[in-house]
Amino acid sequence: DTGVSQNPRHKITKRGQNVTFRCDPISEHNRLYWYRQTLGQGPEFLTYFQNEAQLEKSRLLSDRFSAERPKGSFSTLEIQRTEQGDSAMYLCASSPPGGSNTGELFFGEGSRLTVL
Amino acid sequence: GENVEQHPSTLSVQEGDSAVIKCTYSDSASNYFPWYKQELGKGPQLIIDIRSNVGEKKDQRIAVTLNKTAKHFSLHITETQPEDSAVYFCAALSMNRDDKIIFGKGTRLHILP
Repeated sequence: DTGVSQNPRHKITKRGQNVTFRCDPISEHNRLYWYRQTLGQGPEFLTYFQNEAQLEKSRLLSDRFSAERPKGSFSTLEIQRTEQGDSAMYLCASSPPGGSNTGELFFGEGSRLTVL
Repeated sequence: GENVEQHPSTLSVQEGDSAVIKCTYSDSASNYFPWYKQELGKGPQLIIDIRSNVGEKKDQRIAVTLNKTAKHFSLHITETQPEDSAVYFCAALSMNRDDKIIFGKGTRLHILP
């Protein structure tokens, strides 16, 4: 399978715990995006990387959230001290070089977080 | 920043009929407008897109129209089939300025037998 891979697919955690999600993009894609999707809503932009550089962060991304892409390949999204409001689907997407000219995002199947 | 409004939020059509979903955007610099389909338990998947230098694009049963003056664009699905049931998202991007796609809130399309 050469698509975008995310894991874990589901995570249930207690409030206050830390969680980490991993995204493996399509191998030749240099841009990687994180979006958050809550029930009945469209994906909301969180942050994106071009290679290993984090180029933009949404104000939705509080200081409890951190994302990395250390070698320009896979990325991790960590949420510290989780709150019930963090419960959502976290979607990763990648796009090929010249992504802004191409536009298309290739999404993974998401990591669903439930905070109890 | 860009704001994308989408309606209706839910749409039910008889199998074989047409479905139309409409979106408006706020940023006149936006020049790329994709449509994504999301099936249950899956990530969104691009089904068609249109750039600002064209007014209409068609791919088999799916077509998109764009009115840049009015800042609105629409998705048209003809001869609907059961497998068209899904959530559809419109989105907008200014490819000249930034690289994040902004999504509408989605339309849940039900195809009735």
